Amino acid sequence: AQSVTQLDSQVPVFEEAPVELRCNYSSSVSVYLFWYVQYPNQGLQLLLKYLSGSTLVKGINGFEAEFNKSQTSFHLRKPSVHISDTAEYFCAVRSNSGYSTLTFGKGTMLLVSP
Amino acid sequence: IAGITQAPTSQILAAGRRMTLRCTQDMRHNAMYWYRQDLGLGLRLIHYSNTAGTTGKGEVPDGYSVSRANTDDFPLTLASAVPSQTSVYFCASSLTQGPYNEQFFGPGTRLTVL
Repeated sequence: AQSVTQLDSQVPVFEEAPVELRCNYSSSVSVYLFWYVQYPNQGLQLLLKYLSGSTLVKGINGFEAEFNKSQTSFHLRKPSVHISDTAEYFCAVRSNSGYSTLTFGKGTMLLVSP
Repeated sequence: IAGITQAPTSQILAAGRRMTLRCTQDMRHNAMYWYRQDLGLGLRLIHYSNTAGTTGKGEVPDGYSVSRANTDDFPLTLASAVPSQTSVYFCASSLTQGPYNEQFFGPGTRLTVL
């Protein structure tokens, strides 16, 4: 079984400030990790994913995330946010063995204000 | 434009009524999924299908049924709706159910059961 914990339900920041959205996971096997973004009244869109290789993963819209196996974390970062980044962000994990389902965290609402 | 369509966009339903949410994808993806999204709970998997003709239960299957008669369509049926099924429902698909495949999401159906 696997689980995902997003430590913050809401993160308010000012425009052009840096942001980090935290994600921790637990799993008894190796995993693949994902961040999805959901803009208001829309479906989810893949932001970035870690499958293997470099632990620093770059995604769309200037976001990046770092896989830390020892800390079982996959925190999402952006050095300078824009108003348009206001959205809900979901961390998700999937076992890399056989057929497995995608388990989502509860989401973090990023609120960017001018 | 390739993607996933869901219908209806929103629906208000009386408790006890039967309802089918429709989902169609034109990407020739083998795997399809139904999630429900509730505030503070993130997305939870209801049912999935690895390929046409097969279905499986997710985390919260009770009160829901699915069928997969062909590759493109994956309808979700509520046989007798209850207020706790008020939620936003997302359909998703991926090329295969392999863990490295990105899931693509539809725009969602907002269902209110009174």
